[in-house]
Amino acid sequence: EPEVTQTPSHQVTQMGQEVILRCVPISNHLYFYWYRQILGQKVEFLVSFYNNEISEKSEIFDDQFSVERPDGSNFTLKIRSTKLEDSAMYFCASRRAGAGQPQHFGDGTRLSIL
Amino acid sequence: GESVGLHLPTLSVQEGDNSIINCAYSNSASDYFIWYKQESGKGPQFIIDIRSNMDKRQGQRVTVLLNKTVKHLSLQIAATQPGDSAVYFCAGEVYNTDKLIFGTGTRLQVFP
Repeated sequence: EPEVTQTPSHQVTQMGQEVILRCVPISNHLYFYWYRQILGQKVEFLVSFYNNEISEKSEIFDDQFSVERPDGSNFTLKIRSTKLEDSAMYFCASRRAGAGQPQHFGDGTRLSIL
Repeated sequence: GESVGLHLPTLSVQEGDNSIINCAYSNSASDYFIWYKQESGKGPQFIIDIRSNMDKRQGQRVTVLLNKTVKHLSLQIAATQPGDSAVYFCAGEVYNTDKLIFGTGTRLQVFP
């Protein structure tokens, strides 16, 4: 069964450094997402992406965050200058086109900011 | 505003019993709901979904019930097995958006 894959599984970065989290969505999916989950808290929406542009973003997704689909398979989340509070699990998700299509999630990248 | 929540943080059941996990949502939350299972160190795994024009949907050993009158949905797991131990989230797709709002999760513990 096709899966969303994310790399790396764990990223440790110094505060203020840039970090790029990578995702390969399921191949026939057209809608892509990033979510995060701070330890012990809910999964929170960050951004949705369709047709090479952001379709929606949350308040968390400020100008330090960006997303990109650099080729036909990868979907990336960049944080330009990381802060301690960016430490969390980051999940990528994708879904097929059409109403009532569930989002399928990867296993996440654990981001630890020191 | 929109919100999705769960009633109990932890549910303990005996192997072989049926499990019921509950979730409530706010007035404006969604017309499409999804249940996810999250095992330790993994991402949310799709279990079953339901649209608001349905009251019930069944899968393999799982059933989702939607009560729009009281804005409540539940996940029923038949003959619970040790492999069902995980955190279960309900999520609602917000009206006219493409984002999911997640509940706080219920940890299901299955004991022999």
